[in-house]
Amino acid sequence: GAVVSQHPSRVICKSGTSVKIECRSLDFQATTMFWYRQFPKQSLMLMATSNEGSKATYEQGVEKDKFLINHASLTLSTLTVTSAHPEDSSFYICSAKTGGNWETQYFGPGTRLLVL
Amino acid sequence: AQSVTQLDSQVPVFEEAPVELRCNYSSSVSVYLFWYVQYPNQGLQLLLKYLSGSTLVKGINGFEAEFNKSQTSFHLRKPSVHISDTAEYFCAVTESGGTSYGKLTFGQGTILTVHP
Repeated sequence: GAVVSQHPSRVICKSGTSVKIECRSLDFQATTMFWYRQFPKQSLMLMATSNEGSKATYEQGVEKDKFLINHASLTLSTLTVTSAHPEDSSFYICSAKTGGNWETQYFGPGTRLLVL
Repeated sequence: AQSVTQLDSQVPVFEEAPVELRCNYSSSVSVYLFWYVQYPNQGLQLLLKYLSGSTLVKGINGFEAEFNKSQTSFHLRKPSVHISDTAEYFCAVTESGGTSYGKLTFGQGTILTVHP
């Protein structure tokens, strides 16, 4: 089956630093990847849609200069949280959509970010 | 735009009892519907999906869901639950076309707790 990995699984950083999260599709090519954020006891909220080779499309209310997304290849997308603050602490989840199975997204295991 | 409402935030049930997790959606266009399960400290796994055709959809782990267009519902059921079914369940919807095509909107989640 389609597998999506994320690295790191957990990260703790100091306020003001930047953190990069990687999302990889291991056994398929993902033309589209999505980034979600899940706060404790809340649902997933879509942050942005990332298409390979083009700029990401951000959802309303998501700061594109704070959450930098790069989708440089068909198997890798990265999310960089710039100048992280405690309120950015959350569970970040990526998903990937395959070209041949466009209606289904495969989710990564998530990255838990804690900003001190 | 679409929205999803999961009517129960928590559902406690005894092992081997039947369970129904309720999901209602709203959308002005045709939609595809999904149920995902999230085990503690893991990413989302697809349980089942409705795209078209038969309104009764069977998924993994003995779960099934029925699409009811008139009631705009997509309730998840299992005739006999196991301890291992304890997890959080998310209903999700995406438009079948248009600008929001492929973007999942999630419900708030339902925590299913199976007691021995």
